Amino acid sequence: GAVVSQHPSRVICKSGTSVKIECRSLDFQATTMFWYRQFPKQSLMLMATSNEGSKATYEQGVEKDKFLINHASLTLSTLTVTSAHPEDSSFYICSAGGGFDPGELFFGEGSRLTVL
Amino acid sequence: DQQVKQNSPSLSVQEGRISILNCDYTNSMFDYFLWYKKYPAEGPTFLISISSIKDKNEDGRFTVFLNKSAKHLSLHIVPSQPGDSAVYFCAASASGGGSNYKLTFGKGTLLTVNP
Repeated sequence: GAVVSQHPSRVICKSGTSVKIECRSLDFQATTMFWYRQFPKQSLMLMATSNEGSKATYEQGVEKDKFLINHASLTLSTLTVTSAHPEDSSFYICSAGGGFDPGELFFGEGSRLTVL
Repeated sequence: DQQVKQNSPSLSVQEGRISILNCDYTNSMFDYFLWYKKYPAEGPTFLISISSIKDKNEDGRFTVFLNKSAKHLSLHIVPSQPGDSAVYFCAASASGGGSNYKLTFGKGTLLTVNP
């Protein structure tokens, strides 16, 4: 079946540095991808909707200048956490859909970010 | 304000018995509901869904029930198997369908099926 791949699965960085996370749809084209964040024992919270060829749509309370999203092609969206701080440490996960059926929304494996 | 609530963080059942996972929602605009299953170190995978025009959807061992008046849905797994042990997320959407829509998730319930 369709697969969404996310990289890296784990990243540790120093405070103040930027980290890029990639989300790829491997065998289908995704005009829209979604980025979520999950804190421990919390639900997946939608951060932004990534639209191919246009600007991302951010949810309320998510800083667009801090979480840069680029959806340059139909198979790749990237999330860059700029000037990361320890409070940005979290589990980030993307999803993408290849068809009309809501059940065809596939998730990446997630990326665990730890900011020291 | 949590619009999708899974009030039980964990559930433990015996193999062969029924597992019932519950989910409540507050947003009356939600019209599509999904259950996802998540194993450690993997992304959530779609399990089963239900539209607000139905009150039940069945797929093999999995059945989802929707009570719109109570804004409540539940996932029944019968019979439960040890491989069902995972975190189950309830999710809802207000878009009316399509894959290009936003999901609101609950916190998840960790199901443990004991052999």
